[in-house]
Amino acid sequence: GENVEQHPSTLSVQEGDSAVIKCTYSDSASNYFPWYKQELGKRPQLIIDIRSNVGEKKDQRIAVTLNKTAKHFSLHITETQPEDSAVYFCAASPYGNKLVFGAGTILRVKS
Amino acid sequence: GAGVSQSPRYKVAKRGQDVALRCDPISGHVSLFWYQQALGQGPEFLTYFQNEAQLDKSGLPSDRFFAERPEGSVSTLKIQRTQQEDSAVYLCASSLDRLATHEQYFGPGTRLTVT
Repeated sequence: GENVEQHPSTLSVQEGDSAVIKCTYSDSASNYFPWYKQELGKRPQLIIDIRSNVGEKKDQRIAVTLNKTAKHFSLHITETQPEDSAVYFCAASPYGNKLVFGAGTILRVKS
Repeated sequence: GAGVSQSPRYKVAKRGQDVALRCDPISGHVSLFWYQQALGQGPEFLTYFQNEAQLDKSGLPSDRFFAERPEGSVSTLKIQRTQQEDSAVYLCASSLDRLATHEQYFGPGTRLTVT
């Protein structure tokens, strides 16, 4: 089945710097790749997603890139702010239903 | 509008007890998913419904776990004879249509602690 690996497991950046989180997936049938932000004790919230027919998508300070050939995708956050501190999860969707999640990245933005 | 809701938010069960966790998806959402999130890990898929039909239950860890969605809206996840390893947050998510390329919206979860 699908396997998603996520790196790094923790990331500390200075406020205003950029943060990059990378994920790889194993199943070439996966065609949907969302990113979720989860604050402590809260529900995962979708922040951006990308479909396999697109290589890049941007929404204000957040962007996601997808390389289908290499089977990896990345989240880029620019001009980080303290409120960006949270756990970020990547996911891949094979077979059109369930999401397979990475293990998560704890992002700390130091002010 | 109202998001996905779950109840109870917290449940403490003694080992061996049965528990029932409820999910109210967003109105009109066809697809409903259950995930299990252990502490410090990503959510793991348990089961998937399209309307009232349970189309995938490959993630249920044992036959002690059972899920239903009899009228295609509210869903219940039941765990029989709870064990300590069942302690986790159980997340429900719903999606507008039958394709998971549509966004999945998560509920706040039920934190189950088995003592």
